[in-house]
This record gives sequence, C-alpha cells and structure tokens, in this order.
Amino acid sequence: GAGVSQSPSNKVTEKGKDVELRCDPISGHTALYWYRQSLGQGLEFLIYFQGNSAPDKSGLPSDRFSAERTGGSVSTLTIQRTQQEDSAVYLCASSLDNSDTQYFGPGTRLTVL
Amino acid sequence: AQKVTQAQTEISVVEKEDVTLDCVYETRDTTYYLFWYKQPPSGELVFLIRRNSFDEQNEISGRYSWNFQKSTSSFNFTITASQVVDSAVYFCALITAGNNRKLIWGLGTSLAVNP
Repeated sequence: GAGVSQSPSNKVTEKGKDVELRCDPISGHTALYWYRQSLGQGLEFLIYFQGNSAPDKSGLPSDRFSAERTGGSVSTLTIQRTQQEDSAVYLCASSLDNSDTQYFGPGTRLTVL
Repeated sequence: AQKVTQAQTEISVVEKEDVTLDCVYETRDTTYYLFWYKQPPSGELVFLIRRNSFDEQNEISGRYSWNFQKSTSSFNFTITASQVVDSAVYFCALITAGNNRKLIWGLGTSLAVNP
C-alpha cells in the first residue's frame, strides 16, 4: 500500500513568512510524529499525535511552531515568521499505534533565506 | 534519561568487506524497543529492524545481522560482504515506555562502501 507522503518536497521561503508542511500518514495508522533533521543537530522529535490529539508537544522549539491533525489522518505543521535557523528537513512518520514501528515519509526540505 | 550513542561518525570500507556499526543505549526503563534505520543519499529513512527489550535473540536477514546484548546495552549491526548500495547513513534509535513513544536517535554512522 501507499507509504507516508509529504508535501511539498522542497520549500524555499523568505525570513518572516509563514509556511505549512503537510503529512499524509499510512492509511489506518493512528499515531503520527513530526521530526526535524538539521545538519549538525541530528534528528529531533517535534510532536506526536494519537488520533487528533497531541499528548506530547515537548519538542516544538518555540511558539512559532504549531501542528494539527484532522480526521485522524492528515497533519499540518505550521511555522510562523520563519527564521533562518528553521532551515532543515522536516520528517513525518506514522505507526499503527504508539507502540509500533514508525514509518517515515520522504521529508520536506525547508530553506529560509 | 534516555540516550543513544553511535560512536562511529564515518566508516569507509571496500566492497565485500564486513562492517559492524556500533550502537550503545541508555535507559532506566525495563520495557523499550530498539531500531535501526537506513538513510540512503535519497534522504528517506528506511526501517530495517525493531527489537524489544525482552528478546535478546540475534537476528539475521540476508547480509544483515544484529547483535543485541542487554549486559552491555548494545545493539550492533553487521553488514556482511558489503556492497556499494549499502552506502548510507545508519541510525540507531530507542523508544521506551516512559517517553510517549518518541524515537530517541543516535547521531548516525555514515557508511561509504567503495568499489
């Protein structure tokens, strides 16, 4: 079946603009995760959804970052007033439930000029 | 606190050599899961294996094998007869019952297999 999909694959934006990143999980997966991969920082957890609720938002770096998930499916990660340090690859993963293996999408490469 | 250490930043081998990637983890939880993921140059993270803390049985899948030793908190990954297509960054990761199931990652080992 279809894997996790993310859009856009690449996004270039100017400092101060807002961006929205989208994640379509594997059908039937109830858990959804966002991670960020930066050069020199490795992979860092941002937020986790179980269904439409987010029991763990501990990784969001600032209040400029927010995420939502609707219908237990698609999730959107929004970054407001982007800064250059937000440049990274944003990865989405989903799993059947929160104890199962996480499967990753191809990521969105965000470049803030 | 949970932590994953991959001490090898970069490894370079010649095709057909065997190579072992090290992973050491830290957790106080008794229930946890360990993972290996592969990230080829295309960028997508590919799941390789998952092992739970109650199953120390080693696993072999083709040219890949994993050695899980709780006594040393290690979960090492060996590629036998490496091939150029094995060139990638390999990540070891940990999930514990106490951390809401978020993956804690090592920094990765970049493996270059040269022809």
